[in-house]
Amino acid sequence: KAGVTQTPRYLIKTRGQQVTLSCSPISGHRSVSWYQQTPGQGLQFLFEYFSETQRNKGNFPGRFSGRQFSNSRSEMNVSTLELGDSALYLCASSLDPGSRDGYTFGSGTRLTVV
Amino acid sequence: AQKVTQAQTEISVVEKEDVTLDCVYETRDTTYYLFWYKQPPSGELVFLIRRNSFDEQNEISGRYSWNFQKSTSSFNFTITASQVVDSAVYFCALSENSNYQLIWGAGTKLIIKP
Repeated sequence: KAGVTQTPRYLIKTRGQQVTLSCSPISGHRSVSWYQQTPGQGLQFLFEYFSETQRNKGNFPGRFSGRQFSNSRSEMNVSTLELGDSALYLCASSLDPGSRDGYTFGSGTRLTVV
Repeated sequence: AQKVTQAQTEISVVEKEDVTLDCVYETRDTTYYLFWYKQPPSGELVFLIRRNSFDEQNEISGRYSWNFQKSTSSFNFTITASQVVDSAVYFCALSENSNYQLIWGAGTKLIIKP
């Protein structure tokens, strides 16, 4: 079966712009989580969606937002980009938040802000 | 507060040596889940194992084995007869029953030299 698909793989944006990243979970998975990975802060939780509802949010400013569609696909948006937003953004899918089967991750979107 | 510590930043060994990656966690929950993930240079996080707090049995999967000890809050990972393909960054993560997000360790970069 197809894995978790994240698009685009690479992105270069300018400070002040906004960006939208997409994540398509494994078919049948209804929970999608987003993580930011940077060399300095490591892996940090952004938010989690289940049944089109945000269930949990990490400690990130309001410039970071997301949503989930009825087909479980999710998007995250970062507005007014800052240099520090340069990171690998990873999406993970699972059957539901409590399944704990082991979240399956996509290959990530590497965002560079210049 | 919940926390995961991987004290070894980088480990370098020669192929065929055994290597153990350490993971120490902190949580107040009595029910929690521990994970190990592998991140090769491609960036995708690959699920290796999940263990819940009620199952302290050690696990072996091929050359991989895991030692879970609640008494010392540790969940260590051993690779036997290491191979060059094992080179990657390995992450240990914690998920509490009360909060589904994954709390990550800083990762251990494992270098296997031929």
